[in-house]
Amino acid sequence: EVQLVESGGGLVQPGRSLRLSCAASGFSFDDYAMHWVRQAPGKGLEWVSGISFNSGSTGYADSVKGRFTISRDNAKNSLYLQITSLRAEDTALYYCAKGDSYYYESSGQQDWGQGTLVTVSS
Amino acid sequence: QAVVTQPSSLSASPGASASLTCTLRSGINVGTYRIYWYQQKPGSPPQFLLRYKSDSDKRQGSGVPSRFSGSKDASANAGILLISGLQSEDEADYYCMIWHSSAWVFGGGTKLTVL
Repeated sequence: EVQLVESGGGLVQPGRSLRLSCAASGFSFDDYAMHWVRQAPGKGLEWVSGISFNSGSTGYADSVKGRFTISRDNAKNSLYLQITSLRAEDTALYYCAKGDSYYYESSGQQDWGQGTLVTVSS
Repeated sequence: QAVVTQPSSLSASPGASASLTCTLRSGINVGTYRIYWYQQKPGSPPQFLLRYKSDSDKRQGSGVPSRFSGSKDASANAGILLISGLQSEDEADYYCMIWHSSAWVFGGGTKLTVL
C-alpha cells in the first residue's frame, strides 16, 4: 500500500523559510516522479512543483518559481520542498503526491498524502 | 481567461447520471490533452479517479468503479467526467487537470451535490 506522510508544516512569519518533507513507502520510490500540490483554506488545488524519478528535471508553478526548491533523496525514500521568502498567500495545506510515471511532465498525481499545513502570519 | 474552467456547482438526483465538464480556453485544443480527474471529499486528500485522452489512451484509478468514465466533447472543447448511477457518497468536489505550458493546471473544481 502506498503511504505518503508529510511533515514540517507550521506557523511561520512572513519572509521566513521552511522545509517540508514527505516520507514514502509501499512502492519503489525511485521509479516514480513526485509532486507537491497545495490547497489554500476553502480553495481549490494548485500544483506547486514536480520532480522526475532521478532528479534530472524539476518544474515549478510561476507563483513559486525562484522561492521554492523541490528535491528528493531516493536512498531515504523522501521528497522535500524548501520554501523561502514565505508570503501570506503561501498559507495552505501542502500535499505530497506520487506520479504515475518517471517524469513529472507526463505524470499526473496518482496517490496523495494527508498534507501538512503551512500558515504564514506575523 | 483561465486555462481550464469548471462550473462551480452541479446538483443531481440519486440514481441519475451527472456530466461534469472541464472546458479548455479557446485556442487550446482539447483533443491533444490528457485530462485527469480527481474527487475530493471534505477533510480528505484528493483521490485520482481517471485520466482520459481518447478511448485508446485512458486509465482508471485503482478501485474506482466503472460508473466513473471520461470522454471529450470536441464541439465544446471540453473534457467530461460522467458519473452514472449516482450515489450519496459521490457528493464531493471534482477537479480536472491538464499539462499546459510546462505546468500542471487544475480547474477550479465542481461541487457535486446529490439530492
